[in-house]
Amino acid sequence: KQEVTQIPAALSVPEGENLVLNCSFTDSAIYNLQWFRQDPGKGLTSLLLIQSSQREQTSGRLNASLDKSSGRSTLYIAASQPGDSATYLCAVAYYGGSQGNLIFGKGTKLSVKP
Amino acid sequence: DTGVSQNPRHKITKRGQNVTFRCDPISEHNRLYWYRQTLGQGPEFLTYFQNEAQLEKSRLLSDRFSAERPKGSFSTLEIQRTEQGDSAMYLCASTEGGTGYGYTFGSGTRLTVV
Repeated sequence: KQEVTQIPAALSVPEGENLVLNCSFTDSAIYNLQWFRQDPGKGLTSLLLIQSSQREQTSGRLNASLDKSSGRSTLYIAASQPGDSATYLCAVAYYGGSQGNLIFGKGTKLSVKP
Repeated sequence: DTGVSQNPRHKITKRGQNVTFRCDPISEHNRLYWYRQTLGQGPEFLTYFQNEAQLEKSRLLSDRFSAERPKGSFSTLEIQRTEQGDSAMYLCASTEGGTGYGYTFGSGTRLTVV
């Protein structure tokens, strides 16, 4: 069964700290992996998309890496701010899976304290 | 490009009533997806369209659920004879092509069945 796991489920850090969110997936045959942010009661905002041929993507203070062989991705947030507080979701599009089916993890709920 | 638009944002309905949600994708995107998200979980795939054709439906999409995308533009998701277990966030997403493209999600419709 194709699964996506995110650890930790929740994380609380002081403002200014650098942090890493983890995502693991069970099958290395993936098209791509996408990181999303979700604020409480809201929809999903796309942060970064990494294609299977890529090793990392960067956007501002965010850097996402992809290691297909180990089935892992990390989202690195530099110099965290209270506005970064949200749930971060990892989603994988698998080869051989449904063409429309992103498999999501349950998310990591991040709280950045001022 | 005004993003993916979903209406209504919130819907409260009594058990047994029918409800319909609307999604307007990004205009040049030919693929449209519906997902459902319950509290503390990642979104789960329901169905997707390529243009006006509904190409796949998840086992989660019971007979009470129906989705349409007339003319390949906006889409509607109808739930008949709602049950309390249908309470969830219903998310719509679109992409401009196949699985290799990133997904853009709307803000979702929060359904509460009382």
